[in-house]
Amino acid sequence: QVQLQESGPGLVKPSETLSVSCLVSGASMMTYHWLWIRQPPGKGLEWIGYISSSGSTNYNPALKSRVTISADTSKNQFSLKLKSVTAADTAVYYCARSSGYFYFDHWGQGTLVTVSS
Amino acid sequence: DIQMTQSPSTLSASVGDRVTITCRASQSINRWLAWYQQKPGKAPNLLIYKASSLESGVPSRFSGSGSGTEFTLTISSLQPDDFATYHCQQYNSSPYTFGQGTKLEIK
Repeated sequence: QVQLQESGPGLVKPSETLSVSCLVSGASMMTYHWLWIRQPPGKGLEWIGYISSSGSTNYNPALKSRVTISADTSKNQFSLKLKSVTAADTAVYYCARSSGYFYFDHWGQGTLVTVSS
Repeated sequence: DIQMTQSPSTLSASVGDRVTITCRASQSINRWLAWYQQKPGKAPNLLIYKASSLESGVPSRFSGSGSGTEFTLTISSLQPDDFATYHCQQYNSSPYTFGQGTKLEIK
């Protein structure tokens, strides 16, 4: 079955770069789109961006200047980098899969990243 | 960006009740709407896509309806496992946006 597993640093200092990875098993990265979504503690969900099956990317304009999503299909994983973080970037970061239409049918369990000095 | 507004924000109900959650879009999204269930400390779980299509494995007591700007999620007979937070999400256009969530509590 499809499984997604995030890994991240847990704690990042303000102004530094947040890096989170997602390991995919049970599905080909060349067939689906792969996304990042975040949820600040006690708040709603925010779509960050995706990398498509062809390698193209699309980002939320609210974060676009700070976000990079990349994929390494040989390792079956994709990654999120968010630069110049502040406390407002503290959230659970989820990776997810889209089958073509942009609803999300498989999710990782999420990784909490806290921005604090 | 398309704004998604859910109502109510909190809903208290009992096992066996029929409940309805509403999601409104700030502009027409046709039927490009999904619903998710989220339990504390867990990732969201897809329930419904394209407004009314039930995801595989989701119990038939869940149903969705609507088109354009107004949508509903209905649970026909609440079970203990259904007490959770529910989110709607539009995928008509990027950026894909979510409602603020509806917390379904035990009365």
